[in-house]
Amino acid sequence: QKEVEQNSGPLSVPEGAIASLNCTYSDRVSQSFFWYRQYSGKSPELIMSIYSNGDKEDGRFTAQLNKASQYVSLLIRDSQPSDSATYLCAVKGAHGSGNTGKLIFGQGTTLQVKP
Amino acid sequence: ETGVTQTPRHLVMGMTNKKSLKCEQHLGHNAMYWYKQSAKKPLELMFVYSLEERVENNSVPSRFSPECPNSSHLFLHLHTLQPEDSALYLCASSQQLAGGSDTQYFGPGTRLTVL
Repeated sequence: QKEVEQNSGPLSVPEGAIASLNCTYSDRVSQSFFWYRQYSGKSPELIMSIYSNGDKEDGRFTAQLNKASQYVSLLIRDSQPSDSATYLCAVKGAHGSGNTGKLIFGQGTTLQVKP
Repeated sequence: ETGVTQTPRHLVMGMTNKKSLKCEQHLGHNAMYWYKQSAKKPLELMFVYSLEERVENNSVPSRFSPECPNSSHLFLHLHTLQPEDSALYLCASSQQLAGGSDTQYFGPGTRLTVL
């Protein structure tokens, strides 16, 4: 079982729609969760971080965390063609958990927003 | 700009060459990381340095040799590489290694091609 799993996509949504990106993780003691956006040929850039159960909103982006289900998601409202990129889910274990606070990445989901 | 720079941005080398990748962070961070990103694969953590000491070495072949002379600089020395080592090599830094809320910031990466 992969430590962090994402559907590779592509996920295709029309402009203005809500894009929903999902991620599951296997390590129950994980404490920190991150969403990075990576444009083709570029490096990952941080979009959102979330540490406690529930929703966290930042502009058009909402991160949702459910630790009981080991599930984290990213919603993008009013999707724009400029949102077309690969979205990486990353999970950080607790210090002393054996992961030394290591960031584990999923494979990424490619999002295509069509005009 | 994330405050993490990498040089060179592109590198083509033969299997018998020796080259070095350089990373510099201007954020006052204490932890630095090397990642490898191959096509269709998740980001792979290669090395972790905290306060200039190596704390993680993920079974990386010895043809990759990291060096961290101070907390702002990180090198990856390359020698006798194989074509399968062709990938995007990313450097990242974070304030500290094991803070639960810590965020890693990535440099632009070096696109390496081994002929």
